[in-house]
Amino acid sequence: EAGVAQSPRYKIIEKRQSVAFWCNPISGHATLYWYQQILGQGPKLLIQFQNNGVVDDSQLPKDRFSAERLKGVDSTLKIQPAKLEDSAVYLCASWAGGNEQFFGPGTRLTVL
Amino acid sequence: QKEVEQDPGPLSVPEGAIVSLNCTYSNSAFQYFMWYRQYSRKGPELLMYTYSSGNKEDGRFTAQVDKSSKYISLFIRDSQPSDSATYLCAMSGQTSYDKVIFGPGTSLSVIP
Repeated sequence: EAGVAQSPRYKIIEKRQSVAFWCNPISGHATLYWYQQILGQGPKLLIQFQNNGVVDDSQLPKDRFSAERLKGVDSTLKIQPAKLEDSAVYLCASWAGGNEQFFGPGTRLTVL
Repeated sequence: QKEVEQDPGPLSVPEGAIVSLNCTYSNSAFQYFMWYRQYSRKGPELLMYTYSSGNKEDGRFTAQVDKSSKYISLFIRDSQPSDSATYLCAMSGQTSYDKVIFGPGTSLSVIP
């Protein structure tokens, strides 16, 4: 079974630039999450989708972050404009219920 | 007080030792409790998924939940060098679709 795919794996940008991340979840998984993981911390939920609807985006900085889930499958997360404190690993995960949850490898973002 | 607290370590044990990892939490509404393993530069991997209080065993891993004390544990028996990773506890609320809150993780090294 293919896992959760994310791209790019690494991205370096300057502050105030924009960046986009892509996630392809496991086929059939209705729930998709984007997490931000800062070095030395646990993942923090940014947004949770159920199919193509948003379940929770309470911790998404909506003035600069946006996310969408296309036709309930792939998802993109965008940051515009980026700040230094956005340097982190951005993790995508998909879930089919119970212990059927899988994370992607993450995108490591460095903002200079 | 943070919602989920976890000793960051690092914890170093000899191969074959029993490892005990712990988390405390403050929100009594949490009902679902998870443990993840995260290798360096990888996404978290779900190890254990439990509902409410009690014990759950899976191979060398045992998860315990004590809701009265707001305390969860993960025990690793016969630890192996391949168990060296960061272990994250996580929990969520009334439904399994509620937002998942992660602890900061404990770094474990198993020395051959």
